[in-house]
Amino acid sequence: DTGVSQDPRHKITKRGQNVTFRCDPISEHNRLYWYRQTLGQGPEFLTYFQNEAQLEKSRLLSDRFSAERPKGSFSTLEIQRTEQGDSAMYLCASSPPQGNYEQYFGPGTRLTVT
Amino acid sequence: GEDVEQSLFLSVREGDSSVINCTYTDSSSTYLYWYKQEPGAGLQLLTYIFSNMDMKQDQRLTVLLNKKDKHLSLRIADTQTGDSAIYFCAEGYSSASKIIFGSGTRLSIRP
Repeated sequence: DTGVSQDPRHKITKRGQNVTFRCDPISEHNRLYWYRQTLGQGPEFLTYFQNEAQLEKSRLLSDRFSAERPKGSFSTLEIQRTEQGDSAMYLCASSPPQGNYEQYFGPGTRLTVT
Repeated sequence: GEDVEQSLFLSVREGDSSVINCTYTDSSSTYLYWYKQEPGAGLQLLTYIFSNMDMKQDQRLTVLLNKKDKHLSLRIADTQTGDSAIYFCAEGYSSASKIIFGSGTRLSIRP
């Protein structure tokens, strides 16, 4: 079991550019979650998938944010027209079908918008 | 509403016990979690407790839940330098959707 992986680990972009992050969950985990963490704060929920279905989205997920999980395995999070306020750590987590109350987190993608 | 509160800092002497406290507001939460985050690392699930339990012990970790007061605590026995980290309290629901995190307690160890 290799754990949840995220790519890239770091991304620096200029304001107005689009960015896309990828998350690979633990094998056979059917639930996948995206969170955002800013400095000095705990993670904040963005959205979650059960298999390929996106079941819940936070109010934090503005129209510039979109997440997909087309085949129920890996997921992508895209931010369009990035703003400086988007600078944060973007965390992905997954959980298995049976123990669905345990969420296992990846190392995160740190986004810096200049 | 959903809100989880923790104190920001805790300093303990190496070898002593650490007790990190947390309060939450949503009585419908089903699971209460403790996560650990070391510098530059992701979140590590330490332990969790179902809301119908009062206590859970796992090696050096003891979790106490007072559901009436919506108070959760994590006790780390024989605190070591490797325990230095930020500890997050969090609540979750039977729907297995989002987890609501507190702002974290930074634990530092004095020699």
